[in-house]
Amino acid sequence: GQSLEQPSEVTAVEGAIVQINCTYQTSGFYGLSWYQQHDGGAPTFLSYNALDGLEETGRFSSFLSRSDSYGYLLLQELQMKDSASYFCAVRDRGDDKIIFGKGTRLHILP
Amino acid sequence: DGGITQSPKYLFRKEGQNVTLSCEQNLNHDAMYWYRQDPGQGLRLIYYSQIVNDFQKGDIAEGYSVSREKKESFPLTVTSAQKNPTAFYLCASSIDGPGAHRTQHFGDGTRLSIL
Repeated sequence: GQSLEQPSEVTAVEGAIVQINCTYQTSGFYGLSWYQQHDGGAPTFLSYNALDGLEETGRFSSFLSRSDSYGYLLLQELQMKDSASYFCAVRDRGDDKIIFGKGTRLHILP
Repeated sequence: DGGITQSPKYLFRKEGQNVTLSCEQNLNHDAMYWYRQDPGQGLRLIYYSQIVNDFQKGDIAEGYSVSREKKESFPLTVTSAQKNPTAFYLCASSIDGPGAHRTQHFGDGTRLSIL
């Protein structure tokens, strides 16, 4: 079956760096996406990895290793506004469905 | 500005009633999706459509129905057969095509509750 695993919660300190991991089981996919969702809001797109390696977008970076079935989102210089849930997602190559992980709740301490 | 509009923002359903959630996009996206999100949970796919007049069931389609008569519109009906409809419903759209950089644009969601 298809599944993505993420930690349910992560806590970090303002100004620090945090990494949110995502491991997956799927027969094939086009790429790994990351979304941010604040409480009561809609998910917003953060980053996408079509190929292995690191993609950097400002304070956010995302990494993919297909051989390890693993990816992560790296958030640097954490700000209080980064407190949110973060979801990894893949688009399955077989049936074209987009599959989301259950999300990681990021708590930031002052 | 282009985007996705969901309405209403809040919706209440009585026992035995069907309700329809609206989703309209002006992004010229071919693909549209409906997700259900329960508190503290991820997004579960209800239905998706890659082209007009065609749609596929997602992982939790039972008790729901959709239509895709126009590219811009993908309404979701929560039927009386859905016994636990209380949730946050999110509509999304995306460009399509193999190898395309695929991102989903989400509407602001509809919160459905049972009266």
